[in-house]
Amino acid sequence: SAVISQKPSRDICQRGTSLTIQCQVDSQVTMMFWYRQQPGQSLTLIATANQGSEATYESGFVIDKFPISRPNLTFSTLTVSNMSPEDSSIYLCSVSGSATYEQYFGPGTRLTVT
Amino acid sequence: AQSVAQPEDQVNVAEGNPLTVKCTYSVSGNPYLFWYVQYPNRGLQFLLKYITGDNLVKGSYGFEAEFNKSQTSFHLKKPSALVSDSALYFCAVRDTYSGGYQKVTFGTGTKLQVIP
Repeated sequence: SAVISQKPSRDICQRGTSLTIQCQVDSQVTMMFWYRQQPGQSLTLIATANQGSEATYESGFVIDKFPISRPNLTFSTLTVSNMSPEDSSIYLCSVSGSATYEQYFGPGTRLTVT
Repeated sequence: AQSVAQPEDQVNVAEGNPLTVKCTYSVSGNPYLFWYVQYPNRGLQFLLKYITGDNLVKGSYGFEAEFNKSQTSFHLKKPSALVSDSALYFCAVRDTYSGGYQKVTFGTGTKLQVIP
């Protein structure tokens, strides 16, 4: 299994500002995923981040709003840009064991936009 | 396209009784199936998976799930529920037909409440 940490764990931000969320994994992984989750609800995939290539975004999510960096095999960042109250959510980083298929999740970043 | 359904928003069960959390799926090829658990204010944890082989798979914390291809189901079960099992449970599916892209679709979640 992989151990994943995220920073910050929570934040309260003003509308119109941006927040960068960091995700650190304790082992090298090929694919990293960013999800959004409303408390008590299902997960929505924002994008998949491969090291050395552009992130692949899901329908409804664009790079200008959610730019992602993946500088190496253990680290990724997700930026939530020009925030509005609708961006208030929990943001989860995840990795997949390529040989074992299951995913491992970070503890999440709880974002509140006022 | 792949999809997964969890028909129950909430399941209530008395402590010590068996529990079942239902999941059905739809895929084009063969499915990889997963169960995850989310305890309050914590991240998701992997419970168990079905990739191939024996239809009954065992996982963490005494949970098991049975893959039923004819009914396209993958229900989560435990013989004797504990109060500490109270959490939000997610079923997830990945279609092997999708090639190298490992996108996984998550269900809407089922809240399990174990009553003392």
